[in-house]
Amino acid sequence: RKEVEQDPGPFNVPEGATVAFNCTYSNSASQSFFWYRQDCRKEPKLLMSVYSSGNEDGRFTAQLNRASQYISLLIRDSKLSDSATYLCVVNDNAGNMLTFGGGTRLMVKP
Amino acid sequence: ETGVTQSPTHLIKTRGQQVTLRCSSQSGHNTVSWYQQALGQGPQFIFQYYREEENGRGNFPPRFSGLQFPNYSSELNVNALELDDSALYLCASSLGGGAGEQFFGPGTRLTVL
Repeated sequence: RKEVEQDPGPFNVPEGATVAFNCTYSNSASQSFFWYRQDCRKEPKLLMSVYSSGNEDGRFTAQLNRASQYISLLIRDSKLSDSATYLCVVNDNAGNMLTFGGGTRLMVKP
Repeated sequence: ETGVTQSPTHLIKTRGQQVTLRCSSQSGHNTVSWYQQALGQGPQFIFQYYREEENGRGNFPPRFSGLQFPNYSSELNVNALELDDSALYLCASSLGGGAGEQFFGPGTRLTVL
């Protein structure tokens, strides 16, 4: 079983749609959680951190459920520029190792 | 503020050869982490250097080794290259042993023939 699991997609959605990605992690001792965005043939970039209370950044909302070891990302009003791979990332309890999921590919169409 | 840089951008090697990849951390950062990203997969943690010492290692064989220099730049060395070593190698810099946000460089794409 992978430590961080994601549906690889692709998710093909029209502009303006709302899309949700889910992720599960296996290490219950994990302390920090993130969503990274990776454009084709580019490096990953931090999209947002994920907190137990849930957090929102513009059109993006992230949720963490520690009991179920589940992380989600919701994107509202999708834009063409949101097309990318979204990586669910967990930081181990020592704080020095990021564990990445395989990524979920999103394609937003006109 | 200077971002994370990596060299070379692309590299082609043959099986059995050795390779050295380089990373310059972001100004003010003392921690460098290295990741391997195979095509279609997420990055996999290789190891981390903090203040010139190895500070954690993932599930990679000893032929993957590294260094960090006093200016906090870093090298990743891979000996006895195998076909499966073909991947994008990413370094990420951060402050304080990796607990803070990690900023990724553009990566080095290694092809092993």
